Amino acid sequence: AQTIHQWPVAEIKAVGSPLSLGCTIKGKSSPNLYWYWQATGGTLQQLFYSITVGQVESVVQLNLSASRPKDDQFILSTEKLLLSHSGFYLCAWSLTRGFSGNTLYFGEGSRLIVV
Amino acid sequence: GEKVEQHESTLSVREGDSAVINCTYTDTASSYFPWYKQEAGKSLHFVIDIRSNVDRKQSQRLTVLLDKKAKRFSLHITATQPEDSAIYFCAASPPRGSALGRLHFGAGTQLIVIP
Repeated sequence: AQTIHQWPVAEIKAVGSPLSLGCTIKGKSSPNLYWYWQATGGTLQQLFYSITVGQVESVVQLNLSASRPKDDQFILSTEKLLLSHSGFYLCAWSLTRGFSGNTLYFGEGSRLIVV
Repeated sequence: GEKVEQHESTLSVREGDSAVINCTYTDTASSYFPWYKQEAGKSLHFVIDIRSNVDRKQSQRLTVLLDKKAKRFSLHITATQPEDSAIYFCAASPPRGSALGRLHFGAGTQLIVIP
């Protein structure tokens, strides 16, 4: 069975400080990977997606970057946090390559508060 | 681009009654429509989906209806239980070839099941 693990579960960070959020998928080789952001009480915004190691596509610009250093790992980061980065960050994976209508499976999320 | 709207921000029903959550979309080429459930403070979990080649799909107490002509789809929950209380997100996926896995989410409907 596939499992998805996100870390950290929650963080409180200062404005201007760096951030790194991680996501690991086990039990599935070469998944499609995604980062989503959910503002408090808000809808979901896709940030990045990746179909293979070393290849990441940006969907929206929020002064964030993403990398896929390994097949099963997806990292979201920034060097300088803004207050607007606060929210719930969700990593997700999907099975099928090259098809947009596939089901997303989400991790448990990382909650970020920027102060 | 695609815009998905959920018409009810909050829906309250009595335990045992049925609940219906409605969504509309704008892109006639959208072909995949999943639903996700988010319990308080938690991540999203896939509940059911429908593809544009059918107009109805049922899984236990959940039924999804799709009206392509009206560009509308809905989630029907029968015999509601307190554990059905959550935010439900609908989503629509653009056609094959566009941004991979680019699910456009609605703003969510808070379902409250009153015991």
